[in-house]
Amino acid sequence: QVTLRESGPALVKPTQTLTLTCTFSGFSLSTSGMCVTWIRQPPGKALEWLALIDWDDDKYYSPSLKTRLTISKDTSKNQVVLTMTNMDPVDTATYYCARMDGYSSTWPNFDYWGQGTLVTVSS
Amino acid sequence: EIVLTQSPGTLSLSPGERATLSCRASQSVISSYLAWYQQKPGQAPRLLIYGASSRATGIPDRFSGGGSGTDFTLTISRLEPEDFAVYYCQQYGSSLWTFGQGTKVEIK
Repeated sequence: QVTLRESGPALVKPTQTLTLTCTFSGFSLSTSGMCVTWIRQPPGKALEWLALIDWDDDKYYSPSLKTRLTISKDTSKNQVVLTMTNMDPVDTATYYCARMDGYSSTWPNFDYWGQGTLVTVSS
Repeated sequence: EIVLTQSPGTLSLSPGERATLSCRASQSVISSYLAWYQQKPGQAPRLLIYGASSRATGIPDRFSGGGSGTDFTLTISRLEPEDFAVYYCQQYGSSLWTFGQGTKVEIK
């Protein structure tokens, strides 16, 4: 059974760095083809893809946020970490992590999602 | 970067009616790389359709996807009460993923 769970601060101040952790089970990021991604959704707005990391430690970022994002993995802990620097109130959103299986018929789409974590940016 | 534009923004229909949602891309999308997700309030999105027309595991056959190139559609043949939700299209290309702005299907 595949599960993902996001964790991190619910509130950050402007200019601070946000660190979010995705802890997953039911698959391994050391398995060829496996990937974990981060997606966010401001309240009442659309989904926005942020970053993705694959089993081979290749990393992909949204061009508009690339300078502020870093994605990394700890395979032994089954975790993926996203950091976003210089947070602003417009970054207030629910942040989701999700899985992509490169050897599944559903590739390149996201077949399992976490419940999301709401991050509010406010002083 | 490919921009996806969904229409209409909101679709007001009654249970039992047919829903047709549109997703238009700013450039041609490889059909294999076009997906649809359903999101209900307070929930994470759920993969509905991948490869433009293939249903994900457990998705009822009243959901169908079609289209190619720059124009794609999601059709719900007969709306059930649990189908009232927001639907997003999503594409992949050049190591980037983008989503449309969503279509809300609401009860009339």
